[in-house]
Amino acid sequence: EIVLTQSPDTLSLSPGERATLSCRASQSVSSSYLAWYQQKPGQAPRLLITGTSNRATGIPDRFSGGGSGTDFTLTISRVEPEDFALYYCQQYGSSQYSFGQGTKLDIK
Amino acid sequence: QLQLQESGPGLVKPSETLSLTCSVSGGPISGSRHYWGWIRQAPGKGLEWIGNMYYSGTRYYNPSLKSRVTISVDMSRNEVSLNLDSLTAADTAIYYCATTWPSVHAFDLWGQGTAVIVS
Repeated sequence: EIVLTQSPDTLSLSPGERATLSCRASQSVSSSYLAWYQQKPGQAPRLLITGTSNRATGIPDRFSGGGSGTDFTLTISRVEPEDFALYYCQQYGSSQYSFGQGTKLDIK
Repeated sequence: QLQLQESGPGLVKPSETLSLTCSVSGGPISGSRHYWGWIRQAPGKGLEWIGNMYYSGTRYYNPSLKSRVTISVDMSRNEVSLNLDSLTAADTAIYYCATTWPSVHAFDLWGQGTAVIVS
């Protein structure tokens, strides 16, 4: 089983700042199968990024993803007020899926 | 455009079996190349993948739940079902159904979730 560890647990930023969220895997993950989600209170998760760096439909270009192997990042170039939320990474491999524990992006 | 809607009992007793349904609208399950999945989220916790099923019958389950989980598809009713046996309080969660394309294995469409309390 591949374990995903996200850091930091909480990231406190002001609107307009750059956010960098990290996702580290316990073993190598195919770049084709690393995704990121945003979740707001009381809502289902929303897909942001597929295949490490491909924005899902309707996702603003301030969101970008990168990385390879065991280290992946989600970057928000300039945080907007609506971006304060929980973020999860997710991987697929060997017919199994797993999620990271989440990073909370909150207002400083 | 597919839409997913979960439904279930809300409150179940320990040791009983949970049965949840995901109603799919906007298109037939039988004609879809999606994987149909279930994911849960315990109160204040992160996301836990439960399992996926392809309409052809292939199923994949989380090893930690595999002995207690069954996912099935009813194409005549256009529904995806989840059964979870031998419930404990640790199964209290919001349960989501979601779809993923085999080419990307990312959950692109989610239902709104249904809350289950085991007590």
